[in-house]
Amino acid sequence: EAGVAQSPRYKIIEKRQSVAFWCNPISGHATLYWYQQILGQGPKLLIQFQNNGVVDDSQLPKDRFSAERLKGVDSTLKIQPAKLEDSAVYLCASSPGLGPEQFFGPGTRLTVL
Amino acid sequence: GEDVEQSLFLSVREGDSSVINCTYTDSSSTYLYWYKQEPGAGLQLLTYIFSNMDMKQDQRLTVLLNKKDKHLSLRIADTQTGDSAIYFCAESTTGGYQKVTFGTGTKLQVIP
Repeated sequence: EAGVAQSPRYKIIEKRQSVAFWCNPISGHATLYWYQQILGQGPKLLIQFQNNGVVDDSQLPKDRFSAERLKGVDSTLKIQPAKLEDSAVYLCASSPGLGPEQFFGPGTRLTVL
Repeated sequence: GEDVEQSLFLSVREGDSSVINCTYTDSSSTYLYWYKQEPGAGLQLLTYIFSNMDMKQDQRLTVLLNKKDKHLSLRIADTQTGDSAIYFCAESTTGGYQKVTFGTGTKLQVIP
């Protein structure tokens, strides 16, 4: 069974630029999560989708971050414009439903200069 | 809001047992988890325990939960160099969906 795929693995941009990350969850997984992991910290949930609907985006900075999950499969997370403090690893995870197990992708490391 | 705390660093000798501790604040936690993160990789779920359990054992891993003190521990028996990683404690509550809160992680260093 293929795992959660993310791209790109690394991205370096300058502040005020835009960036987008892509996630392909495990086939059949209804729930998809985006986390932000700042160096030295645990992951923080940004947004959670159930199929193609948002169930929690309370910690998503909506003035600059947006995410979508068209057709309930792949998802993209966008930052526009980026700030220095957005430098982090962005992790995507998926789970079959509402149960406890989440499966994580390798993450995208974003550096904002 | 929910808070999960862990010590930052633990160093053990190969073959010894490791015990990683965690405290949490949310008394309505449903599940408690241990994740492992190796350098440059995503998180891997090691094990989880339902909040009405006291202990769970899975091969070299033993999880102990003291719900009264809101304390969770992970014991790794016969620690190997391949166990060197960052270990995250996490908790979730169920309110129609699982919302997971992670601790800051404990870096385990295994000395050969």
